[in-house]
Amino acid sequence: DTEVTQTPKHLVMGMTNKKSLKCEQHMGHRAMYWYKQKAKKPPELMFVYSYEKLSINESVPSRFSPECPNSSLLNLHLHALQPEDSALYLCASSWTGAAYEQYFGPGTRLTVT
Amino acid sequence: SQQGEEDPQALSIQEGENATMNCSYKTSINNLQWYRQNSGRGLVHLILIRSNEREKHSGRLRVTLDTSKKSSSLLITASRAADTASYFCATDKGGSEKLVFGKGTKLTVNP
Repeated sequence: DTEVTQTPKHLVMGMTNKKSLKCEQHMGHRAMYWYKQKAKKPPELMFVYSYEKLSINESVPSRFSPECPNSSLLNLHLHALQPEDSALYLCASSWTGAAYEQYFGPGTRLTVT
Repeated sequence: SQQGEEDPQALSIQEGENATMNCSYKTSINNLQWYRQNSGRGLVHLILIRSNEREKHSGRLRVTLDTSKKSSSLLITASRAADTASYFCATDKGGSEKLVFGKGTKLTVNP
């Protein structure tokens, strides 16, 4: 199984809402990533988890809160977002680190109203 | 910044033609990867080339790496309409879990 799944596919939320994005992989990968992608731009790294520990936080605002409950799951908790946070949020996984190919999920299209 | 810069930003060709995309980067790297992204979807890994390699092939794809010029190229031969997508190069410096993506080339293959 070489699939990374993400739920939901689409999410519309108000600026006062709390929601969560979910990501799952069953490839035994030990690194998992959250990226943010705006239209016509490349993916921008937000967070990296390595062996279930947060190893990279790219100075992401605290309204984004990642969580890695186990080696297969990755969550991104959202609270008090701004309209400029509207984007495609991509999850990815790899064996360990950036020296290996990353497998991406289909993404969650987030709209903040 | 080590971010790659793809060239051209957009490329439109006819089916059957070859497509060449270039990527330049600024700092020394450990590996360089190419990814494809269909509109609004997740990225798909195409090929990884290590800093001590000069050329790799995978099906209709050919990737070259010139570390002295800090550049890479992706050649897609005999293109098909299904190759229409955005193509990104991505680099890592080694010893880091961070992969940095270039700005991408949007390829359109016309039937």
